[in-house]
Amino acid sequence: DTAVSQTPKYLVTQMGNDKSIKCEQNLGHDTMYWYKQDSKKFLKIMFSYNNKELIINETVPNRFSPKSPDKAHLNLHINSLELGDSAVYFCASSQDAGSLYGYTFGSGTRLTVV
Amino acid sequence: DQQVKQNSPSLSVQEGRISILNCDYTNSMFDYFLWYKKYPAEGPTFLISISSIKDKNEDGRFTVFLNKSAKHLSLHIVPSQPGDSAVYFCAASYTDNFNKFYFGSGTKLNVKP
Repeated sequence: DTAVSQTPKYLVTQMGNDKSIKCEQNLGHDTMYWYKQDSKKFLKIMFSYNNKELIINETVPNRFSPKSPDKAHLNLHINSLELGDSAVYFCASSQDAGSLYGYTFGSGTRLTVV
Repeated sequence: DQQVKQNSPSLSVQEGRISILNCDYTNSMFDYFLWYKKYPAEGPTFLISISSIKDKNEDGRFTVFLNKSAKHLSLHIVPSQPGDSAVYFCAASYTDNFNKFYFGSGTKLNVKP
């Protein structure tokens, strides 16, 4: 029973398209995140939601819009995709916003923009 | 500007020997550190943590050492096993900001049988 699940695992799309990545956690955690793993392999936080409320919004192009319909779901919508958006996107959750036990990550969505 | 750096992209170790993975950070405010382990096609999984009030934390075969003055931490795996072959990420955060961790770029460990 997957704790943090992301769909799709792979996404290949053309420049200019709009796409969404979905994330769901069944751990009962209050906080969810989107991280981007860039070409240099660094994991960088993009957004964080705590109980459906946005608490972290890093310097990310406004083409990226997160949506949290409830605390178990955090989706990422990307408009007007660009080549530089190609990366692996990881969803994660933690018990609360100040959890010292780190995150539970999903398995990632590899986005390729052609 | 990467505040957490793992300067060795890869490390190869013989089974049974010690693996030492290193991590350096630049932000002196960091006071909490985590190590994650990642297998291919999976998300990172939490391995071990250390707070800045300690200089060592041990969990079975895994020990993390923290040298605050050098802004350096290391993960020791003894003895190394083939199943330890994975990418290891270190991450850092600071008090009142634990919802935001800064990650290194990872070190790929290969444990040879």
